[in-house]
Amino acid sequence: GAGVSQSPSNKVTEKGKDVELRCDPISGHTALYWYRQSLGQGLEFLIYFQGNSAPDKSGLPSDRFSAERTGGSVSTLTIQRTQQEDSAVYLCASSLGRTASTDTQYFGPGTRLTVL
Amino acid sequence: TQLLEQSPQFLSIQEGENLTVYCNSSSVFSSLQWYRQEPGEGPVLLVTVVTGGEVKKLKRLTFQFGDARKDSSLHITAAQPGDTGLYLCAGERSNYQLIWGAGTKLIIKP
Repeated sequence: GAGVSQSPSNKVTEKGKDVELRCDPISGHTALYWYRQSLGQGLEFLIYFQGNSAPDKSGLPSDRFSAERTGGSVSTLTIQRTQQEDSAVYLCASSLGRTASTDTQYFGPGTRLTVL
Repeated sequence: TQLLEQSPQFLSIQEGENLTVYCNSSSVFSSLQWYRQEPGEGPVLLVTVVTGGEVKKLKRLTFQFGDARKDSSLHITAAQPGDTGLYLCAGERSNYQLIWGAGTKLIIKP
């Protein structure tokens, strides 16, 4: 497929466990974003990768959250010691460039995380 | 703090009616985008407006950016069931960071 893919689509975990969420961006897209969408809320920016530059981690809510992007392609968002407030849909998006107004962000279907 | 306020939060109307969704802020944005999101999917970009006062039309959808670039509206003419979805606005703060509204859930009844 040519779109952004994310796995798993659903993840149920127990409080205190670690989880890994994966994003496969569109081939050739240098920019990759992670967002969090809670019920009834808009999207919350988490982290941004652009090429080989240092990522912008300013949106990560705590040091339990981390992300990496290997080889400029696949990205993994890791949440350690999950809490119930981490329950949300985690969305990944990729784009050709770094300007929101001119480079369309293409979103994956998201991973719905439920922490019991 | 919600920097972008969308209203109404929920709207249910009959097929054929017109509607307007609003996106307001006290902040100035360099551009504003509207997305539509369906259940189980990510948002899909509908339009980007950049210039204050700009109006863009996409078939039955009309988007307007306020003169001061702080607010925007989405007007749908003769709504159809296929227009059902969550409509999100997002303002560009830096050249890659978007600030998102909470969305308007729209239901068009046949």
